[in-house]
Amino acid sequence: NAGVTQTPKFQVLKTGQSMTLQCAQDMNHNSMYWYRQDPGMGLRLIYYSASEGTTDKGEVPNGYNVSRLNKREFSLRLESAAPSQTSVYFCASSEIRAPTDTQYFGPGTRLTVL
Amino acid sequence: ILNVEQSPQSLHVQEGDSTNFTCSFPSSNFYALHWYRWETAKSPEALFVMTLNGDEKKKGRISATLNTKEGYSYLYIKGSQPEDSATYLCAKVTGANNLFFGTGTRLTVIP
Repeated sequence: NAGVTQTPKFQVLKTGQSMTLQCAQDMNHNSMYWYRQDPGMGLRLIYYSASEGTTDKGEVPNGYNVSRLNKREFSLRLESAAPSQTSVYFCASSEIRAPTDTQYFGPGTRLTVL
Repeated sequence: ILNVEQSPQSLHVQEGDSTNFTCSFPSSNFYALHWYRWETAKSPEALFVMTLNGDEKKKGRISATLNTKEGYSYLYIKGSQPEDSATYLCAKVTGANNLFFGTGTRLTVIP
């Protein structure tokens, strides 16, 4: 089992460019999440998908869109990147979206917007 | 914004020392508390999920306690080893089933 995989590992964009971060899980989990990690702050939830076919905003959704392509894949899109979106992005998945359900994290994508 | 605070921000201990750190959170709207261990260049890895006031969990030399009434959890490491060096994250779950993370405690164990 690869668990949660993310591509790319690193990316540098210019302001205004767009890109899609890819995430896939092979654990047959129903719920998937996108977080961002910034220095001095905890992981913050951008968007989540409780189950295939549904997506919802988290704490910091502005400037992002998501697509739950199928049960395995959940992508995060930056339509017009801004320097404030420079961050490390983590994808996670859980069996269901319940308070006690463990979230399993991917290795992260380090994004720099110039 | 839900303030989950962890202290200290970082600490250095000698190999063999025992140590502990704190996660503080608003006691209202509490559903669960998660602890994660995050090694540099790796993914955060789940340690414990705690729900009940007075809960105690243990995994090897690492244990955690939970006080939901006063809004804190302690993580203890007994006889620290260099491989325990990592950032330890806690996250509170509210009624919306979202995790709100603290900024972590960065532990360095000196051989």
